[in-house]
Amino acid sequence: AQSVTQPDIHITVSEGASLELRCNYSYGATPYLFWYVQSPGQGLQLLLKYFSGDTLVQGIKGFEAEFKRSQSSFNLRKPSVHWSDAAEYFCAVGAGGGADGLTFGKGTHLIIQP
Amino acid sequence: GAVVSQHPSWVICKSGTSVKIECRSLDFQATTMFWYRQFPKQSLMLMATSNEGSKATYEQGVEKDKFLINHASLTLSTLTVTSAHPEDSSFYICSAPTGGGTETQYFGPGTRLLVL
Repeated sequence: AQSVTQPDIHITVSEGASLELRCNYSYGATPYLFWYVQSPGQGLQLLLKYFSGDTLVQGIKGFEAEFKRSQSSFNLRKPSVHWSDAAEYFCAVGAGGGADGLTFGKGTHLIIQP
Repeated sequence: GAVVSQHPSWVICKSGTSVKIECRSLDFQATTMFWYRQFPKQSLMLMATSNEGSKATYEQGVEKDKFLINHASLTLSTLTVTSAHPEDSSFYICSAPTGGGTETQYFGPGTRLLVL
């Protein structure tokens, strides 16, 4: 069975500082990996996804993620965070890309300090 | 991007009653939709896959008689929580893939259910 681990429940960074959110997955085949952001009162928004090809994936809002098969990781990064980035971030894995139900990590709550 | 809506956005009901939640894909057709449940400050758990024209498939541990799913058309799936109890109180979220190969799932804004 597939699983996703987000080891950090909360992360606090200063505005303008760099960010890295960790995600480790367990899956028997080539994974389809996603990062979503959830803001209060809003639905989940897709930041980026990895299906195949270049292991460094660019997403929206200046986010990027790197797939490392050897480490079973798909960490999310942003070079300089903005106060509006404060939200809940979820890493997810799917068996059939977006065509199957996803398995989510527990999420990381990002707090931005002024 | 594609838009998925849910209705209602929140609902309060008495224990023992049934509640219907709608999930609509507004600008694309979805033969498949997914229903998730999210407890406070926790992750989303996949409950079931809604299939247009056929029965829904449920994840292990999800009571199919409690959570009735109907995929009435290519743009509408409904989740009915039957004989609701306080432990059914949760945030219910649907999603739909847009199709076409490297699919992206779009999520609805969620429905918060409170059973008194």
